[in-house]
Amino acid sequence: DIQMTQSPSSVSAFVGDTVTITCRASQPITRWLSWYQQRPGQAPKLLMYAASNLLSDVPSRFTGSGSETEFTLTITSLQPEDFAIYYCQQSHRFPLSFGAGTRVEI
Amino acid sequence: QQQLQESGPGLLKPSETLSLTCSVSGDSIISDNYYWGWIRQPPGKGLEWIGSIHYSGSTFNNPSLRSGVIISVDTSKNQFSLRLTSVTAADTAVYYCARCGIAAAGRQFDNWGPGTLVTVSS
Repeated sequence: DIQMTQSPSSVSAFVGDTVTITCRASQPITRWLSWYQQRPGQAPKLLMYAASNLLSDVPSRFTGSGSETEFTLTITSLQPEDFAIYYCQQSHRFPLSFGAGTRVEI
Repeated sequence: QQQLQESGPGLLKPSETLSLTCSVSGDSIISDNYYWGWIRQPPGKGLEWIGSIHYSGSTFNNPSLRSGVIISVDTSKNQFSLRLTSVTAADTAVYYCARCGIAAAGRQFDNWGPGTLVTVSS
């Protein structure tokens, strides 16, 4: 099975800051990596797929990069609504697997 | 606009069977481009993929879950379901249903239900 490791597990930041979250795969997954945002009490929301393809309703301050085993999600100019938990998910091979999440706190 | 909604009992006793249904509205579940999946999240913890099913009946399950997971689809009702037998307290979680792209599209979960909390307690 492919293990996904996210770092950091939590990060504190101010509105306007830039935050970078890293997701590492235990084996190469080409670019089959998605990012989700989960706000308290809500279902996860897909932000990005195939490592860097942003959904049309997601602000451009979210960017993704990486391939094979190392990926990053960068949020520039943090907004109050960005404070949430972010998960990565690999879809290269079954079983599909998620990272443990990164909490972005004020 | 497509919507997914989970339904089922919120409280179970150990050894009972968990049965949840996901109703899909606003679009047909019959699509060659999507699977339909179940994901769970224990309170305060991360996400765990349970399994996914295509309208044709093709399924993929997570082998890390013990045997007893059955995912089925009812195209006439535009629904798919999850059965998990012999539950324990470790199965306490919010259960989400979600739409999942096929392999060529990336297998990402692009539309989620709001989730339903299932508690296993004697």
